[in-house]
Amino acid sequence: GDSVTQMEGPVTLSEEAFLTINCTYTATGYPSLFWYVQYPGEGLQLLLKATKADDKGSNKGFEATYRKETTSFHLEKGSVQVSDSAVYFCALSDRRRAAGNKLTFGGGTRVLVKP
Amino acid sequence: DAGVIQSPRHEVTEMGQEVTLRCKPISGHNSLFWYRQTMMRGLELLIYFNNNVPIDDSGMPEDRFSAKMPNASFSTLKIQPSEPRDSAVYFCASSLRWGARETQYFGPGTRLLVL
Repeated sequence: GDSVTQMEGPVTLSEEAFLTINCTYTATGYPSLFWYVQYPGEGLQLLLKATKADDKGSNKGFEATYRKETTSFHLEKGSVQVSDSAVYFCALSDRRRAAGNKLTFGGGTRVLVKP
Repeated sequence: DAGVIQSPRHEVTEMGQEVTLRCKPISGHNSLFWYRQTMMRGLELLIYFNNNVPIDDSGMPEDRFSAKMPNASFSTLKIQPSEPRDSAVYFCASSLRWGARETQYFGPGTRLLVL
């Protein structure tokens, strides 16, 4: 079945540091890939997405590139802020599945940015 | 624009009691999802609907859980009888259309504690 693996946290960084969160996936079809972010006490919200190979999703200074050859979708930000402290989830939905936009999530990575 | 609305935001109940969680999706969205989030198991998809019809309820943990979507603007998740292991944050999400590229919009969640 489909699965998403992402690096375990917590990841602790200083402000303005470079952030990378690794995400790899297994899917029987040709998935769309997503990064969702969850701020404390809130629901998840979409950060960015990519729907085909070599697409780059970007938002709020975050980027991730869909790499079909390595089945990866790593999240990066060049200079983090304290406000980026949150839990980040990598997810996929498989277009070949009759399940449509059923999302498979990774375990989440908690990021803490210190001033 | 109102997002996904969930009620109650917090629920504390005693073991054996019936619990009903409510969700109002974003107007015009035709897919709805119920998730459960715990520290031990992460995010789990419980059930999802398309055009008010349940598509897949294989994630519902057992017969004590049931979900309905009587119309396009309302869904309930019921637990009867509740048990302490049901304590979790329950999220509702909706998407505009059925499809793997669609973004899911999450509500703020209901934090359930069963004593």
